[in-house]
Amino acid sequence: GAGVSQSPSNKVTEKGKDVELRCDPISGHTALYWYRQSLGQGLEFLIYFQGNSAPDKSGLPSDRFSAERTGGSVSTLTIQRTQQEDSAVYLCASSWPWTDNYGYTFGSGTRLTVV
Amino acid sequence: SQQGEEDPQALSIQEGENATMNCSYKTSINNLQWYRQNSGRGLVHLILIRSNEREKHSGRLRVTLDTSKKSSSLLITASRAADTASYFCATVSSNDYKLSFGAGTTVTVRA
Repeated sequence: GAGVSQSPSNKVTEKGKDVELRCDPISGHTALYWYRQSLGQGLEFLIYFQGNSAPDKSGLPSDRFSAERTGGSVSTLTIQRTQQEDSAVYLCASSWPWTDNYGYTFGSGTRLTVV
Repeated sequence: SQQGEEDPQALSIQEGENATMNCSYKTSINNLQWYRQNSGRGLVHLILIRSNEREKHSGRLRVTLDTSKKSSSLLITASRAADTASYFCATVSSNDYKLSFGAGTTVTVRA
């Protein structure tokens, strides 16, 4: 597609439920990131995929969070047993490899609200 | 933890004035990028400067990079109300190519 697509755009869930957030990167982009942004805050790194390399999961805040990227394209971020502190906007970004010349293209994000 | 720190946290200027914001970082970088965010949703890439470059221009934007001081600045000239947004610097580490963001500067341009 023309841009990075994230779905759903908004998600309200009850505490304790599992949620799945989806990211469709730009075709051909091998690098994909997930970030989390709480209200009025900066971007918190969650996980980084680069081609077929093992993902960098060092930013995942707990074992309730996991992410996968199937076929080097679509990525899904899963949060199990959601807590109220998980409420945030979850942003996905993709790019060509190594970004010597290109910045990252961001999706519009998924606003997650845990009630 | 965040790689970059932006200064100031917030900036309010009159339309037509210039806006300058600074970013400092900690580790060796491959390049540094600036992004704009409106209304707390997706970020838009503005400009990228490589570690071997010192200055770069794009329209009304001017970015400088001083790798010896591990700092960068973003200048927006002749600001417009539409420039009201949050601006973030982001660095790509030369070790693992990870993209890390600063906390951002909120710019308000008054008409």
